[in-house]
Amino acid sequence: GAGVSQSPRYKVAKRGQDVALRCDPISGHVSLFWYQQALGQGPEFLTYFQNEAQLDKSGLPSDRFFAERPEGSVSTLKIQRTQQEDSAVYLCASSLVEGYEQYFGPGTRLTVT
Amino acid sequence: EDKVVQSPLSLVVHEGDTVTLNCSYEVTNFRSLLWYKQEKKAPTFLFMLTSSGIEKKSGRLSSILDKKELFSILNITATQTGDSAIYLCAVVDAGGTSYGKLTFGQGTILTVHP
Repeated sequence: GAGVSQSPRYKVAKRGQDVALRCDPISGHVSLFWYQQALGQGPEFLTYFQNEAQLDKSGLPSDRFFAERPEGSVSTLKIQRTQQEDSAVYLCASSLVEGYEQYFGPGTRLTVT
Repeated sequence: EDKVVQSPLSLVVHEGDTVTLNCSYEVTNFRSLLWYKQEKKAPTFLFMLTSSGIEKKSGRLSSILDKKELFSILNITATQTGDSAIYLCAVVDAGGTSYGKLTFGQGTILTVHP
């Protein structure tokens, strides 16, 4: 079966632009996570969805970051008024149910110029 | 706050060598520790460890957890150039939330030369 897919794979944005990053989890996976990975660092948690419910958004760095998963499958991470410090790889992961191993997508590399 | 520290941060070896990667952690309510391999794409799952002293093995890779001393090691024997990657260690805290949020270490960059 297909794994987690993300699009676009690469995104270059000028400072101040809005961006939207898409994640297609593995079909049937209830849990969906977003992580941010800066260069040379491990991934850091951003937010968690159980089906369509966003149960934890404690890792979102500012109110410019917004995530949704309206139908409990595809998720979108939106960043408004991008800043240079937003440059990173954004990883999406899904798991069948809570507490099981997470399967990661290839990530979207965002570069803000 | 949960914390994961990996060492060494980078390692260069030659094919055929054996390597040991270290991961120490601090977590309020430990549930599990996971190892991932990250090449130029998605981190791929290697092992999930929940119990002390039980070695998990997959081919040339093996891992073990020590919950008393709060660390885990990942061993790779007879390394190959295809083992070159970043190896990530992560922990899951069972307290507060039960959904499996991962706290990662910085990763160990392994380079295997022919």
